Amino acid sequence: SAVISQKPSRDICQRGTSLTIQCQVDSQVTMMFWYRQQPGQSLTLIATANQGSEATYESGFVIDKFPISRPNLTFSTLTVSNMSPEDSSIYLCSVLRGSETQYFGPGTRLLVL
Amino acid sequence: QQPVQSPQAVILREGEDAVINCSSSKALYSVHWYRQKHGEAPVFLMILLKGGEQKGHEKISASFNEKKQQSSLYLTASQLSYSGTYFCGTESTQGAQKLVFGQGTRLTINP
Repeated sequence: SAVISQKPSRDICQRGTSLTIQCQVDSQVTMMFWYRQQPGQSLTLIATANQGSEATYESGFVIDKFPISRPNLTFSTLTVSNMSPEDSSIYLCSVLRGSETQYFGPGTRLLVL
Repeated sequence: QQPVQSPQAVILREGEDAVINCSSSKALYSVHWYRQKHGEAPVFLMILLKGGEQKGHEKISASFNEKKQQSSLYLTASQLSYSGTYFCGTESTQGAQKLVFGQGTRLTINP
């Protein structure tokens, strides 16, 4: 498994502002992922972040709205830019351990007013 | 394409068995099962990589029928701790590491 922490654990933000979410892992991993989970819903992949390369975004998600950094093998950030109430959600990072298994962080609960 | 899970919700008494199904319209390379309790992160249960493969984890096991593009999760003699929402995540291309999750099955275990 993996020990994954996220900061902040929750936040309430005003529309039009930006929030940067941090994800820290206890050991080096090649692949990290960012997901969004709206209340009571499933998990949707936003992007894949590999160290040393640009993040790969899924359909419906763009870099201008969700810029991602991956400065080293244990850390990544996701920024939610120019927020609107529709961005209210839980944002989770996950890491790939071994060749196939993803482990999730505790999530960041975001409410946009 | 999002896999379809059934049932959407199930309520059991402690000690009863449950089966959760996950069906995809696309050919699958792997199926991943997670359990998520309210307010917590999804917890990895198991991964199935081959058609027909069956894996076990205590009293929780799963099968993967590659031809039918389906997987089933079996919970035997359910315990109160099994309550939560179960998600299947499917991967269509080997090595892509991109999981598409079903809508979830909410399992409630009552004493």
